[in-house]
Amino acid sequence: QVQLVQSGAEVKKPGASVKVSCKASGYTFTSYGISWVRQAPGQGLEWMGWISAYNGNTNYAQKLQGRVTMTTDTSTSTAYMELRSLRSDDTAVYYCARENYYGSGEWGYWGQGTLVTVSS
Amino acid sequence: QSVLTQPPSVSAAPGQKVTISCSGSSSNIGNNYVSWYQQLPGTAPKLLIYENNKRPSGIPDRFSGSKSGTSATLGITGLQTGDEADYYCGTWDSSLSAGGVFGGGTKLTVL
Repeated sequence: QVQLVQSGAEVKKPGASVKVSCKASGYTFTSYGISWVRQAPGQGLEWMGWISAYNGNTNYAQKLQGRVTMTTDTSTSTAYMELRSLRSDDTAVYYCARENYYGSGEWGYWGQGTLVTVSS
Repeated sequence: QSVLTQPPSVSAAPGQKVTISCSGSSSNIGNNYVSWYQQLPGTAPKLLIYENNKRPSGIPDRFSGSKSGTSATLGITGLQTGDEADYYCGTWDSSLSAGGVFGGGTKLTVL
C-alpha cells in the first residue's frame, strides 16, 4: 500500500532553517509528483509547492519563493522540503502529499505530518 | 484569506443530509477538477472526492460531489457521529501564479 512517512517534529529559532523528509513506499516513486502543504495551528491548508520525482522540476508558491527548496532522492524514494529564514508564522504542521499528476489539484495520499515550531 | 470560499461551519442531526459549498473563480474551479478532503482531529487530510464527483476506493457512497461553473458542493447523507471533522475543497489555480489552492475549511458538527 502507498505510504508517505515523514520525519519527526522540529523546534527552531527564528532565522534558522528546517528540512523535513518524506519517504515514499508502495508505488513507483518517479511516476508521481509530491506537493508540500502546511497547516498553521487552528488554520486551513496552504499549498507550498510541488516537485516532480521524475525530473526534479519544481513550482513554488509565490509567497515562499526564495525561502523554500524542494528536492528528491530517487535512490531512497524520499522527498525533502527545506524552509529558510524561519519566522514565528511558519509554525505549522507540514504535510507531503502525492499529487496524481501536475496540475490535477488532487492529492490522494498524505504523510502523517511534521510539526515545526518556530520560537525564540 | 483562502482562495476558495467555504462556510466556516455546518451542522445536522445523525441520519440527516448536509451540503458544503466551495466557491472559486474561472482560474481555479471554473477550469479545473475539484477534490474534497476530510480531516479528523489530529490527523492528516484524507481524499474523499476527486475529479469533481469520483470516490476513491473505500469511500462510502454517502459522500458525493458536484460542480457547476465556479462552485462545487460536497454532499453527505446518512450523517454519523464519526463524520464530525473539518472538510476542505481543493483544486488547481491556472493563473499566472499557478498552484494548488484550498478552501478555508468547514467544520461539520453532527448534533
